Amino acid sequence: KNEVEQSPQNLTAQEGEFITINCSYSVGISALHWLQQHPGGGIVSLFMLSSGKKKHGRLIATINIQEKHSSLHITASHPRDSAVYICAVMGAQKLVFGQGTRLTINP
Amino acid sequence: KAGVTQTPRYLIKTRGQQVTLSCSPISGHRSVSWYQQTPGQGLQFLFEYFSETQRNKGNFPGRFSGRQFSNSRSEMNVSTLELGDSALYLCASSLRPLGGNQPQHFGDGTRLSIL
Repeated sequence: KNEVEQSPQNLTAQEGEFITINCSYSVGISALHWLQQHPGGGIVSLFMLSSGKKKHGRLIATINIQEKHSSLHITASHPRDSAVYICAVMGAQKLVFGQGTRLTINP
Repeated sequence: KAGVTQTPRYLIKTRGQQVTLSCSPISGHRSVSWYQQTPGQGLQFLFEYFSETQRNKGNFPGRFSGRQFSNSRSEMNVSTLELGDSALYLCASSLRPLGGNQPQHFGDGTRLSIL
């Protein structure tokens, strides 16, 4: 079993829909990161969380430390949100990554 | 402020050769970490350097090595290349070492293809 599990692996939705991507982890962590990767490879850090909830524009990230679970929400999704979203946890001095969720938003 | 710069962007090598990849962190950042991304294994941690010292290493063979210079620029070397080394290699920089609660700034990666 992977230390970090994301679901779903693939998600296709229509523009405007509310999107949720989930991340569960099995190790102790000091922080959890949500990353966005567009075709071509570059990775952008969206959020870093150690507790509670953070919001940036249409993106919201939450974490429940007791349940070892985090969610990334996208409100009013747009085709430009199409990307791979990766959850990564900071464990013993290194990042451990989920397998990513490929999100496609159709106009 | 310039972002993390990785060179080259693309590289083609043959089995048995060696390769050196470069990563220039954001100015002032002293931690540089390296990652390998493949379709089968996803993103995996290779190693981290902070103030010219390797702090941690992932589960990779000794063919993978790195170093960091006094200006915080880092290089990664892979010797005796194998087909399975074909991957996107990413580096990320941060102000302080991994383990603290701080964002990681990623470069665009070097795509290495082994023929």
